[in-house]
Amino acid sequence: GAVVSQHPSWVICKSGTSVKIECRSLDFQATTMFWYRQFPKQSLMLMATSNEGSKATYEQGVEKDKFLINHASLTLSTLTVTSAHPEDSSFYICSARETGTRTEAFFGQGTRLTVV
Amino acid sequence: DAKTTQPTSMDCAEGRAANLPCNHSTISGNEYVYWYRQIHSQGPQYIIHGLKNNETNEMASLIITEDRKSSTLILPHATLRDTAVYYCIVRLYNTDKLIFGTGTRLQVFP
Repeated sequence: GAVVSQHPSWVICKSGTSVKIECRSLDFQATTMFWYRQFPKQSLMLMATSNEGSKATYEQGVEKDKFLINHASLTLSTLTVTSAHPEDSSFYICSARETGTRTEAFFGQGTRLTVV
Repeated sequence: DAKTTQPTSMDCAEGRAANLPCNHSTISGNEYVYWYRQIHSQGPQYIIHGLKNNETNEMASLIITEDRKSSTLILPHATLRDTAVYYCIVRLYNTDKLIFGTGTRLQVFP
């Protein structure tokens, strides 16, 4: 099946620094990708829709200046957590579906961010 | 908000069928029912989806009631590796957005 890969799988950073997480569709093109956040023992919460070549669409309550999304190509979307704080520590997951098809969405393996 | 309701947790003996129910009473005619599962600390894995007919693949079967207000995911012979959180999601045909509810934590025991 189609593969979505995230990098890094885990990262530890200091408060106040920025962290970039990559999401790649390895064998298909994706005009749209999605970013989710998941806190321990909770469900996935949709943060934003990443659109290739245009601005991301953020869900209500998600700060667009804090969570910068760039979708520069049909196979890569990046999420940058700016000025990270301990409360940003979470599991970040991306998903993508092949453009122009009716296939299901595939998810990356997730990135565990710990801010110390 | 998620449009589905699922039991918080279920147990199943290894080798037996696991039947996971989902209520989606407000589903509309052009919305699909999707099932994903998430094993601890991994990204969700697609299982199956359907519109109104029952569906079967190598992983599971999906039974959708005639009025489409509920569905059941069936894992015919559960194994220990099927222990996971199972999410039932309603998705509009023309959108890629998946809104997750709380899911059902399935524990398969020996």
